[in-house]
Amino acid sequence: AQSVTQLGSHVSVSEGALVLLRCNYSSSVPPYLFWYVQYPNQGLQLLLKYTSAATLVKGINGFEAEFKKSETSFHLTKPSAHMSDAAEYFCAVSDRGGGFKTIFGAGTRLFVKA
Amino acid sequence: GAVVSQHPSRVICKSGTSVKIECRSLDFQATTMFWYRQFPKQSLMLMATSNEGSKATYEQGVEKDKFLINHASLTLSTLTVTSAHPEDSSFYICSAPRGGANEQFFGPGTRLTVL
Repeated sequence: AQSVTQLGSHVSVSEGALVLLRCNYSSSVPPYLFWYVQYPNQGLQLLLKYTSAATLVKGINGFEAEFKKSETSFHLTKPSAHMSDAAEYFCAVSDRGGGFKTIFGAGTRLFVKA
Repeated sequence: GAVVSQHPSRVICKSGTSVKIECRSLDFQATTMFWYRQFPKQSLMLMATSNEGSKATYEQGVEKDKFLINHASLTLSTLTVTSAHPEDSSFYICSAPRGGANEQFFGPGTRLTVL
């Protein structure tokens, strides 16, 4: 069965500092992988997705993530945090076999300090 | 980009009443939609898969008689919370997949409060 583990329920960084949000997945075959962002009382917005084309995936708002099969990881990074990045971030995995079902990690709340 | 809407965005109801939440794909057709429940400061919990033209598939532990799902058309799925109780208060989010990589497009969510 697929699963996603996000290390750290809360991450706090200073404005301008590197953002690193960790995600490890469990799957028998390389799945589709996603990072979504959620602002308070809103739905989720896709930041980026891994579909097997390139292991380094660039997304919106300056975020990127690298797929590392050997580590079964898909960590999210941003070189310089902005106050507007404060939100909840979810890593998600979906089976390539069809069915579209997506499993979400527990989420990481990102705090950005001025 | 693909847009998914939900209605209502917020609903307050009395215990024992039923509440219907609509999820619409506005600019694409979706034979499958998903319903999630999110408790405060927690992740999304998949409740069920809504299938156009057939019965919904419920996740383990989700009461199908409590949470009725109807996929009325290729652009509309509804979730009805029957005989709502305070413990049903939550944030309900729907999504619809589009594209070849299982990307989900999410509705803005519905905040249900049962008094």
